[in-house]
Amino acid sequence: EVHLVESGGGLVQPGGSLRLSCAASGLTFSTYWMSWVRQAPGKGLEWVANIIQDGSEKYYVDSVKGRLTISRDNAKNSLYLQMNSLRAEDTAVYYCARLYYDRRGYPSFDIWGQGTMVTVSS
Amino acid sequence: EIVLTQSPGTLSLSPGERATLSCRASQSVSSSYLAWYQQKPGQAPRLVIYGTSSRATGIPDRFSGSGSGTDFTLTISRLQPEDFAVYYCQQYTGSPWTFGQGTKVEIK
Repeated sequence: EVHLVESGGGLVQPGGSLRLSCAASGLTFSTYWMSWVRQAPGKGLEWVANIIQDGSEKYYVDSVKGRLTISRDNAKNSLYLQMNSLRAEDTAVYYCARLYYDRRGYPSFDIWGQGTMVTVSS
Repeated sequence: EIVLTQSPGTLSLSPGERATLSCRASQSVSSSYLAWYQQKPGQAPRLVIYGTSSRATGIPDRFSGSGSGTDFTLTISRLQPEDFAVYYCQQYTGSPWTFGQGTKVEIK
């Protein structure tokens, strides 16, 4: 069975840093694009970032460019999100998700972790 | 940025009734790149429909998706107790990828 398990969330002061991790099991991690999606308390979903299989291509929503960095270690079956210069508006549950392209090239976030909460507050 | 507007905000229905959820895009979205997710309180989202009309693995056939261009629909033919949740549409056509604000399907 496929599992994605996030960790690393917590309370951090504005301007601070945090590193989220996502451990994958039950899948050939190195063959999939991976993503981070977040959800502020009581709000909807927001796509944050994508990373290609070998890590050579990364894409971000504008509001996090230059502050959040997605990366991966295929040897460890792990996805990361380095979060710097954090702001109150970054407060959210952060989900890692597998970005799956089916045989027709149709994309979807087909597997999600349970999420990890990040709270930015003084 | 493509804005997705879902309606209604809340749908109050009884088990066994038909639910029709709308997702309207501010610009045309490729039908290959429109998905729907279900989220229950305290849980991660779950993929329901992708490519406008393809059901995800394990999703029962009472769920169906349709639409093109700027108007898309998720239909639940006969609501089961486990279907009451919030549903989000998402587009993968333009960057950034965006989600609608959600439609809550609640028990009447």
